[in-house]
Amino acid sequence: EPEVTQTPSHQVTQMGQEVILRCVPISNHLYFYWYRQILGQKVEFLVSFYNNEISEKSEIFDDQFSVERPDGSNFTLKIRSTKLEDSAMYFCASTKDRDTEAFFGQGTRLTVV
Amino acid sequence: GESVGLHLPTLSVQEGDNSIINCAYSNSASDYFIWYKQESGKGPQFIIDIRSNMDKRQGQRVTVLLNKTVKHLSLQIAATQPGDSAVYFCAENIGTGFQKLVFGTGTRLLVSP
Repeated sequence: EPEVTQTPSHQVTQMGQEVILRCVPISNHLYFYWYRQILGQKVEFLVSFYNNEISEKSEIFDDQFSVERPDGSNFTLKIRSTKLEDSAMYFCASTKDRDTEAFFGQGTRLTVV
Repeated sequence: GESVGLHLPTLSVQEGDNSIINCAYSNSASDYFIWYKQESGKGPQFIIDIRSNMDKRQGQRVTVLLNKTVKHLSLQIAATQPGDSAVYFCAENIGTGFQKLVFGTGTRLLVSP
């Protein structure tokens, strides 16, 4: 069964450092997303991406965040200067169409120290 | 049921029982709803979805009911098994152009053998 894969599974970084979280969406999917889940809290929408541009972003997704699809398979989330409050699980997801089920990756646990 | 903060409501059942997990959603304009299962340390796993033009949808051992009048969603799991133990989230799509999921707080299902 096709799946969304994310690397690394766990990333520890110092405050102020840049991190790049990587995702390989399902190959025939066209819509890509990042969500995050702070420990013990709800899963929150960050950004959606289609046709090589951001289609929507949340208030969380400020200027420190960026996304990119550098080639035909990878989808990345970059946090330019990490803060302690960025510590969370970050989930990548993809959908085939706008309103079909989103498939989520296993997540990257980001710990900012 | 729903809860806020770090305290997930918990539903404890015996193996073989039927389970019902409830969710209240917020946006009357939402047209697409999904139930996800999340096991510890993993990403949300799709269970079943329903569109707003339906009030019931059945899958294998699962049924989702949608009551738009009171903005209520429920997930019924038949013959619950220990492998069903997880946190269950409902999600509503509030995006108009592109998918943007808003997740509920979650309900922890504990199944005893």
